[in-house]
Amino acid sequence: GENVEQHPSTLSVQEGDSAVIKCTYSDSASNYFPWYKQELGKRPQLIIDIRSNVGEKKDQRIAVTLNKTAKHFSLHITETQPEDSAVYFCAADNSGGSNYKLTFGKGTLLTVNP
Amino acid sequence: GAGVSQSPSNKVTEKGKDVELRCDPISGHTALYWYRQSLGQGLEFLIYFQGNSAPDKSGLPSDRFSAERTGGSVSTLTIQRTQQEDSAVYLCASSYQDSPWGNTIYFGEGSWLTVV
Repeated sequence: GENVEQHPSTLSVQEGDSAVIKCTYSDSASNYFPWYKQELGKRPQLIIDIRSNVGEKKDQRIAVTLNKTAKHFSLHITETQPEDSAVYFCAADNSGGSNYKLTFGKGTLLTVNP
Repeated sequence: GAGVSQSPSNKVTEKGKDVELRCDPISGHTALYWYRQSLGQGLEFLIYFQGNSAPDKSGLPSDRFSAERTGGSVSTLTIQRTQQEDSAVYLCASSYQDSPWGNTIYFGEGSWLTVV
């Protein structure tokens, strides 16, 4: 089955700096890679996703890149703000296969210091 | 409804008791998932439903755990003879399954289970 590794487990940055979180996956058939943000005591919420037919996607201060050959994808947050502080999860999904299941990384606790 | 609804939001139970957790997915979503999140941990997959059938039960940690879905809608996760290690947040999620390029899943707020 799919295995998703996520690094780092914790990340502390100063407000205004950039933050990068990296994930690797094992199943070359995976074709959908969402990122979820979970604030303390809240539900995980989708912030951005990328499909395997594109290499990069950007939404304001957030961008995601995908390298299918290396089987890794990354989340980039620019001009970080204190409200970006949360746990971020990456995930991979083989939606074209018979098993529609998101496999999540273990999460990255991002702290943005004012 | 507007979002995935779960009940109860909080449950404290004694070790050895059975508990039932309920999930009401977004209307029209054919896929339903249960995940478990222990304190400070990641999202552990438990089970996936497509309609009323469960093609993937691989994540259920033991035979004390079971789940069903009726009418292609509401799902119940049952934990029998609860143990302290079952204490966690149980998250339900749902999605459409109409794209081979990925379908966004939406989470409920979770059911916080504490076994004492």
